[in-house]
Amino acid sequence: GAVVSQHPSRVICKSGTSVKIECRSLDFQATTMFWYRQFPKQSLMLMATSNEGSKATYEQGVEKDKFLINHASLTLSTLTVTSAHPEDSSFYICSARSGGNGNTIYFGEGSWLTVV
Amino acid sequence: GQQVMQIPQYQHVQEGEDFTTYCNSSTTLSNIQWYKQRPGGHPVFLIQLVKSGEVKKQKRLTFQFGEAKKNSSLHITATQTTDVGTYFCAPVNQAGTALIFGKGTTLSVSS
Repeated sequence: GAVVSQHPSRVICKSGTSVKIECRSLDFQATTMFWYRQFPKQSLMLMATSNEGSKATYEQGVEKDKFLINHASLTLSTLTVTSAHPEDSSFYICSARSGGNGNTIYFGEGSWLTVV
Repeated sequence: GQQVMQIPQYQHVQEGEDFTTYCNSSTTLSNIQWYKQRPGGHPVFLIQLVKSGEVKKQKRLTFQFGEAKKNSSLHITATQTTDVGTYFCAPVNQAGTALIFGKGTTLSVSS
């Protein structure tokens, strides 16, 4: 089946630094990718919807200047957490819509971010 | 914003017992998807329901979409330890552009 690869799977960064997370659709083109955040034992919260070649659409309450999303190609979207703080520590997960397979959405394996 | 209520939040069963999780919305849904997330893992797509009153089966799993398209359920018959995980319902948002996840039902199974 369709595969979405997310990298890195785990990252530790110092407070105040920035970290980039990549989401790639490996065997299909994804015009739309989604970024979610999941705190321990909680549900997935949609952060933003990323469309190839255009600006991302952010959900209410998500700071677009802090969570920079770039979807430069049909197979790659990136999420950059800028000036990270400990409260940004979370599980970040991307998903991509495969239009050629009944619009099924496939999830990456997620990235654990720890800000120290 | 758009929300769905998912109950129960937690459920523990003995292996072989049945399990049901319910997903309720105050608004009519265009479609709804169900996902399973194992501990430490990522969500895995199970099914999509689109039609009013739709019932779909996957082996021991039965998915239903209500007649009014405001609620959905997932029923597992004769649970096994491999069924452990959190089950999320996820309707498409009102803009039709993204999935909005319920809080999930975490299932534990003891043998």
